[in-house]
Amino acid sequence: SQTIHQWPATLVQPVGSPLSLECTVEGTSNPNLYWYRQAAGRGLQLLFYSVGIGQISSEVPQNLSASRPQDRQFILSSKKLLLSDSGFYLCAWIGKAEAFFGQGTRLTVV
Amino acid sequence: GNSVTQMEGPVTLSEEAFLTINCTYTATGYPSLFWYVQYPGEGLQLLLKATKADDKGSNKGFEATYRKETTSFHLEKGSVQVSDSAVYFCALSLSGYALNFGKGTSLLVTP
Repeated sequence: SQTIHQWPATLVQPVGSPLSLECTVEGTSNPNLYWYRQAAGRGLQLLFYSVGIGQISSEVPQNLSASRPQDRQFILSSKKLLLSDSGFYLCAWIGKAEAFFGQGTRLTVV
Repeated sequence: GNSVTQMEGPVTLSEEAFLTINCTYTATGYPSLFWYVQYPGEGLQLLLKATKADDKGSNKGFEATYRKETTSFHLEKGSVQVSDSAVYFCALSLSGYALNFGKGTSLLVTP
């Protein structure tokens, strides 16, 4: 069965520190992977998606970047976090008829 | 563009009350519509879905009907339980592309 592992579940980081959130997928090959963010009082906003290794599309300009080093691995990064990067980050695998989500990471930048 | 608008929360209900969470959408094509639920401390999971007009999705006593004429996909349950307390997200997808989510509606059911 398909599963998505996302970690960590919660993270508190100081402003200016780097960030790396990892998402791995099991039970499928060549998945379309997505990173979403939910800031306080807002919906889930699409940040990045990837249709294959090394292929990244960005939906909104921001302080973050994403990488797809392996078929089943999707990483969200930042070199220097801003206060506005605080939020709930969610990794997803979305297929034709279904979607699977990680448990999410609650990031608080202080 | 494509977007989803759902009612603001939090919604607080007594056990066994009737639940409606409104959801309307705008889309450039013919989307599939979804309701996702996030229970406290857990990940997002699919609650129900409908892929074409007049389809009714149902699961765990929840129902939602795809209404093309009103561009709506309202979530309903006849009798809520404390265990239904969660955040509910309405979403749409076009051709298997990324999901567009609403802001989420927090539901609290009290005994």
